[in-house]
Amino acid sequence: DSGVTQTPKHLITATGQRVTLRCSPRSGDLSVYWYQQSLDQGLQFLIQYYNGEERAKGNILERFSAQQFPDLHSELNLSSLELGDSALYFCASSVEGDPIGNTIYFGEGSWLTVV
Amino acid sequence: AQSVAQPEDQVNVAEGNPLTVKCTYSVSGNPYLFWYVQYPNRGLQFLLKYITGDNLVKGSYGFEAEFNKSQTSFHLKKPSALVSDSALYFCAVRDLSGGSYIPTFGRGTSLIVHP
Repeated sequence: DSGVTQTPKHLITATGQRVTLRCSPRSGDLSVYWYQQSLDQGLQFLIQYYNGEERAKGNILERFSAQQFPDLHSELNLSSLELGDSALYFCASSVEGDPIGNTIYFGEGSWLTVV
Repeated sequence: AQSVAQPEDQVNVAEGNPLTVKCTYSVSGNPYLFWYVQYPNRGLQFLLKYITGDNLVKGSYGFEAEFNKSQTSFHLKKPSALVSDSALYFCAVRDLSGGSYIPTFGRGTSLIVHP
């Protein structure tokens, strides 16, 4: 168990809908990352938050947004869902005292299926 | 820009034989290298990392990896494979000099250990 908690584990929704994925980082970790894993694209970085502030942005669609709350949990909001958004969404966290050397730890992921 | 290549989509090995999963990287500065394992329907689990120091790094579950700067490689190895090692393995790199220290992951290598 990495200590990173993600909910829900599985989600099935229809095209055009909006969903929210939730992540609780490991205790003491200030940095949260969101990744998308799909068969054709591999593991793609979406966005990173550090202590409530957006720090880095990757290949995140405009239909997607995220935030990190004062208690450090994070939410990834996916809207106007399309079939191609079906994927496994991971949250990861790290301490970030030394941003390069620190390991990032992954949650178990949220399986999103858009039908 | 940083990048990681895992040249083999799949590696097959017999139980008890040594295994190697290959990874090569490209960075502007000094690389920080990581290996993760993903079991079916699970999140990525951290195995080991190279930051500095000895080129041979030991990690979890009997795995080790050898950093080779001249060949820009960080191959994952295990002296004696177990059937339970069958999983998807990801190599990742971080490099501050490029302006972003977000980990970049390879596409993954599926390791299949045959009884």
